[in-house]
Amino acid sequence: GESVGLHLPTLSVQEGDNSIINCAYSNSASDYFIWYKQESGKGPQFIIDIRSNMDKRQGQRVTVLLNKTVKHLSLQIAATQPGDSAVYFCAEINSGGYQKVTFGTGTKLQVIP
Amino acid sequence: KAGVTQTPRYLIKTRGQQVTLSCSPISGHRSVSWYQQTPGQGLQFLFEYFSETQRNKGNFPGRFSGRQFSNSRSEMNVSTLELGDSALYLCASSSTGTGEGSEKLFFGSGTQLSVL
Repeated sequence: GESVGLHLPTLSVQEGDNSIINCAYSNSASDYFIWYKQESGKGPQFIIDIRSNMDKRQGQRVTVLLNKTVKHLSLQIAATQPGDSAVYFCAEINSGGYQKVTFGTGTKLQVIP
Repeated sequence: KAGVTQTPRYLIKTRGQQVTLSCSPISGHRSVSWYQQTPGQGLQFLFEYFSETQRNKGNFPGRFSGRQFSNSRSEMNVSTLELGDSALYLCASSSTGTGEGSEKLFFGSGTQLSVL
């Protein structure tokens, strides 16, 4: 069946360093991917997305890379700040179905001041 | 523009009881989806409603049901509660729910349900 998995459950990063959060997915039919950030006590918040016809997309301090050959997605956060501490989820969507989003289990990012 | 609003924020119930959770989507959004979040299973899709019709359903037992009203507000009901139903229940809205383009899901803060 479909599954989205994360390689590392917890990632500790020094403030100011770059962070890389990885995600593996198994459904080759997925054509849209999203990264969400969830802070304690809040719902997931959209960070950045990428369609399967792209291999890289940049936002403000964040970059998402997509490698369809190995079904791998990564989120890079530049100059990590204490406010980046949260759980990060990758999600995949097969736009052949209505809004059935499959989420990974999440990676907890801890920023060390 | 107000975000997705979920009520109540916290809920404590006992086994065998039933519970109803409420979700008000962002104004203009017609798609509402529900997710269960637990530490062990992560975020799992429950169901999605659009224009008062359930369009998609996850792999949850029939004890979990929902509905959507004409104003797009949605409710989720869990009957005969079990200990394993303890979780954060999240509601998300989007304009059409088709996943096309940059269709984004906007989440509420969730309802934390504890079953004793």
